[in-house]
Amino acid sequence: ETLLTQSPGTLSLSPGERATLSCRASQTVTNNYLAWYQQKPGQAPRVLIYGASSRATGIPDRFSGSGSGTDFTFTISRLEPEDSAVYYCQQYGSSPQMYTFGQGTKLEIK
Amino acid sequence: EVQVVESGGNLVRPGGSLRLSCASSGFGFSAAWMSWVRQAPGKGLEWVARIKSKGAGGTTDYAAPVKGRFTISRDDSTNTLFLEMNSLKTEDTAVYYCTAEYYYHFKYWGQGTLVAVSS
Repeated sequence: ETLLTQSPGTLSLSPGERATLSCRASQTVTNNYLAWYQQKPGQAPRVLIYGASSRATGIPDRFSGSGSGTDFTFTISRLEPEDSAVYYCQQYGSSPQMYTFGQGTKLEIK
Repeated sequence: EVQVVESGGNLVRPGGSLRLSCASSGFGFSAAWMSWVRQAPGKGLEWVARIKSKGAGGTTDYAAPVKGRFTISRDDSTNTLFLEMNSLKTEDTAVYYCTAEYYYHFKYWGQGTLVAVSS
């Protein structure tokens, strides 16, 4: 089973700043099947990035993802107050066939 | 417009059973691989189970903590996903989300249904 470790646990930044979140896998992620989600309190998660670097439909280009193998990065280039949320990475493994999530990074906008 | 609506969550005693349903519309349900993902109170996300489309074999996969106790199934005639949960434990307490998967990520989500297991 592939474990995902996200860092930092909490990030506190100001509007207009750049946020960089990390997701490290315990083994190579199959075909870079790595996605990023945003979850606000009381809401379901929303996919932002899939395939490590492809933006989901309707997601602004200030959200981006990069990386391959075991190290992945999620970046918000210019923070806005509504970006305050918990962000999760998620991977799909083919052997065994299963999905795992990171523990989440809480992003606070000052 | 895509709609994913879960139902069936409730308070149940340890050892009890519950059946969750998920009604979907607005996307190609019969071709979609569908999953349940849960979130314990104040905790992170945990994948529970997946069922592939019938065109892909209709096979099922489960997370280790629920294997042998939970059963995922689907009815493509009514665009409905199910999760039969037996031998429930207190650690199964969570909001259960129904999701539609595309390219190995969860594209569409419902708002979730709360399952509380307590004596």
